[in-house]
Amino acid sequence: GESVGLHLPTLSVQEGDNSIINCAYSNSASDYFIWYKQESGKGPQFIIDIRSNMDKRQGQRVTVLLNKTVKHLSLQIAATQPGDSAVYFCAENPNAGNMLTFGGGTRLMVKP
Amino acid sequence: DADVTQTPRNRITKTGKRIMLECSQTKGHDRMYWYRQDPGLGLRLIYYSFDVKDINKGEISDGYSVSRQAQAKFSLSLESAIPNQTALYFCASASSTDTQYFGPGTRLTVL
Repeated sequence: GESVGLHLPTLSVQEGDNSIINCAYSNSASDYFIWYKQESGKGPQFIIDIRSNMDKRQGQRVTVLLNKTVKHLSLQIAATQPGDSAVYFCAENPNAGNMLTFGGGTRLMVKP
Repeated sequence: DADVTQTPRNRITKTGKRIMLECSQTKGHDRMYWYRQDPGLGLRLIYYSFDVKDINKGEISDGYSVSRQAQAKFSLSLESAIPNQTALYFCASASSTDTQYFGPGTRLTVL
């Protein structure tokens, strides 16, 4: 089985409920933030991104909120589905050149 | 078809062996990256390249080397593998205006 995520914080939600995954980032100079989803046995998959001149961005069933004052990023998933079960990583870009610094990840488990 | 591919997907080797992991991308990106992922941790950058023949060290480059002979290919080598290099390895590609796209990963076990 997948060894990634053995000691990750876990969020367990009921199917159909909304999920909120949080991330604290470290560098106040970061100007670009990304959420990735990693399913078992697969590489990280881009979900949504946001630039520092915004505080909210919406996609399909997902919303990212950015609070630069407290250096906090969150991912909201509406009507969570079993297919949303995965490990979610936030990443920040503290400088130019697409360089990313990744957070430790949160495992989302969706109960049917 | 996958845009970023990695070979092999799984590899078991012995301490001291030289190992090469291959990465190819069909997105036409000029930038490529190699990351390592350990249980309970996020991805850590090993090396990155912004163009052919351009090589830059990342956070954890010791014990690794890379080669970028063509825009679409970026290979990672472990000169003399050791057990604490057992991990998942991911390749990614990006353009200057786009985010990073990841390959499916290579699970490497060093005995």
